[in-house]
Amino acid sequence: EADIYQTPRYLVIGTGKKITLECSQTMGHDKMYWYQQDPGMELHLIHYSYGVNSTEKGDLSSESTVSRIRTEHFPLTLESARPSHTSQYLCASSLSGAGETQYFGPGTRLLVL
Amino acid sequence: AQSVTQLDSHVSVSEGTPVLLRCNYSSSYSPSLFWYVQHPNKGLQLLLKYTSAATLVKGINGFEAEFKKSETSFHLTKPSAHMSDAAEYFCVVSVRGGATNKLIFGTGTLLAVQP
Repeated sequence: EADIYQTPRYLVIGTGKKITLECSQTMGHDKMYWYQQDPGMELHLIHYSYGVNSTEKGDLSSESTVSRIRTEHFPLTLESARPSHTSQYLCASSLSGAGETQYFGPGTRLLVL
Repeated sequence: AQSVTQLDSHVSVSEGTPVLLRCNYSSSYSPSLFWYVQHPNKGLQLLLKYTSAATLVKGINGFEAEFKKSETSFHLTKPSAHMSDAAEYFCVVSVRGGATNKLIFGTGTLLAVQP
């Protein structure tokens, strides 16, 4: 069982609000990732990080931003939520090398009204 | 470009019968391939992975997958389905992107298990 946590698990919020989705891992993994998954669809990478103070944009364009101030913490922020941001957001982490298996958190289901 | 194609969006089997979930990949070099499972309202769980060692890979919960380079396939199988196997299954290829590996997900196969 992977030790990677996401909060909140579910969030319903109004348009225009600022939100932060939390992701923490206790495995000492240097790499962390955020994926977006629409219902019934595959996952798409939106952000990743090699380590502290490194962040990169993924393959799917996203209006969200991320930060990596501590190894174990990789929060995702939306400055002004819109209904188009409604989706599931999955956080993952991995060690470098060894096939870089990614371990996933339980996800945050976001609904923007 | 690297990609994966899951050939069936839905598969329905009876409990106790074999499971076959099909996946074909496209890669310009020897890939790393994974199968993940996602149960309702739960995160993704790694079932198994192939990283250029043995071509028959055994995973958790009795699942296994065989890497066939000549067919560019990585099908997931289980001899006997259990009700708890009902979930969505994703075939994934790992691609090198800069200083890290990125995962490219298939569109998923929803497995239903009938009593």
